[in-house]
Amino acid sequence: GQQVMQIPQYQHVQEGEDFTTYCNSSTTLSNIQWYKQRPGGHPVFLIQLVKSGEVKKQKRLTFQFGEAKKNSSLHITATQTTDVGTYFCAGRGGATNKLIFGTGTLLAVQP
Amino acid sequence: DAGITQSPRHKVTETGTPVTLRCHQTENHRYMYWYRQDPGHGLRLIHYSYGVKDTDKGEVSDGYSVSRSKTEDFLLTLESATSSQTSVYFCAIRPTGDNTEAFFGQGTRLTVV
Repeated sequence: GQQVMQIPQYQHVQEGEDFTTYCNSSTTLSNIQWYKQRPGGHPVFLIQLVKSGEVKKQKRLTFQFGEAKKNSSLHITATQTTDVGTYFCAGRGGATNKLIFGTGTLLAVQP
Repeated sequence: DAGITQSPRHKVTETGTPVTLRCHQTENHRYMYWYRQDPGHGLRLIHYSYGVKDTDKGEVSDGYSVSRSKTEDFLLTLESATSSQTSVYFCAIRPTGDNTEAFFGQGTRLTVV
């Protein structure tokens, strides 16, 4: 079945440093979505990418969807303490409506 | 936040007992999902529904069953709870459409002792 892996599993950065998490799917995805889960909270939708090679930005966050639609990345420039949380990618493969989440990357930011 | 409610929010149960978790939505969204979250495993799909009485298995469906008799309710049942089912369970809903986002409930923390 479809599997979605993320690396790293955990990253600790100093405030102001950049951060990147990578998402890799075993199958081609129809789209890729990114979610953020604050500690003790529930996942909240950030953004969606649909086209091959697509790049989207949200302030300090840059999201990319790979050319083969099997991988994606989230890059945060100049992290802030408010960026703390777990970042998940999620995707659907082909015609299925299963929404499969990645293993997540926990980001810790030290002031 | 989307109108999605999970109940109970916390539950402690004994091994071998049946447990039912409820997900209720007021958004009339077509798709509903049950996930479990465990350290190192992210969010794993248990079962999902694409309409009333229409359900399908996810990645980790063994030991779980679901029912959706009404659009607004999606029930997850552990027929005979085991300690390996101790987890945080999240329900999510998603509107009709290929590229729609999912909205999550607050989660249910289940402990099987």
